[in-house]
Amino acid sequence: EAGVAQSPRYKIIEKRQSVAFWCNPISGHATLYWYQQILGQGPKLLIQFQNNGVVDDSQLPKDRFSAERLKGVDSTLKIQPAKLEDSAVYLCASSLGQGGNTIYFGEGSWLTVV
Amino acid sequence: SQQGEEDPQALSIQEGENATMNCSYKTSINNLQWYRQNSGRGLVHLILIRSNEREKHSGRLRVTLDTSKKSSSLLITASRAADTASYFCATASPGANNLFFGTGTRLTVIP
Repeated sequence: EAGVAQSPRYKIIEKRQSVAFWCNPISGHATLYWYQQILGQGPKLLIQFQNNGVVDDSQLPKDRFSAERLKGVDSTLKIQPAKLEDSAVYLCASSLGQGGNTIYFGEGSWLTVV
Repeated sequence: SQQGEEDPQALSIQEGENATMNCSYKTSINNLQWYRQNSGRGLVHLILIRSNEREKHSGRLRVTLDTSKKSSSLLITASRAADTASYFCATASPGANNLFFGTGTRLTVIP
């Protein structure tokens, strides 16, 4: 069974530039998550989708971050304009359902903003 | 905040020794999960323990849960160098749609 796929794996951009990350969840998983993990910290949920609807985006900085999950499968996370403090790993994850289900993570997209 | 906190933040042991990590949380939970993250990689699910369970085993892993103290522990027996990683606890609260992750314990197993 294929895992959660993410791209690109690494990205370096200058502040005020834009960047987009792509995620393909495990086939059949209705729930998709984007987490932000700053070095030395635990993952922080940015946004959660159930199929193509947003369940929770309370911690998404909406002035600069946006995410979509068209057709309830793939998802993209965009940052525009990027700030230095956005340097982090962006982890996409998926699960069969919501609540306390086991979550399966991708390898992450490492963003460095200079 | 529902976020759990792991203790210690960092742990260094010799290969063959046991490693114990603790997690404390603040709210009631449906279940608690432990994940491992190797350097530069995503998180991998290790084990899930439900709120009505007190202990669970999986291979060399043993997890305990004390809901009265709002705490859990992860024991890795006979550690190996390949166990070197960060370990996170994550809690699922009643009515919540997702997991809340702790700050992690960085385990180093010295060969």
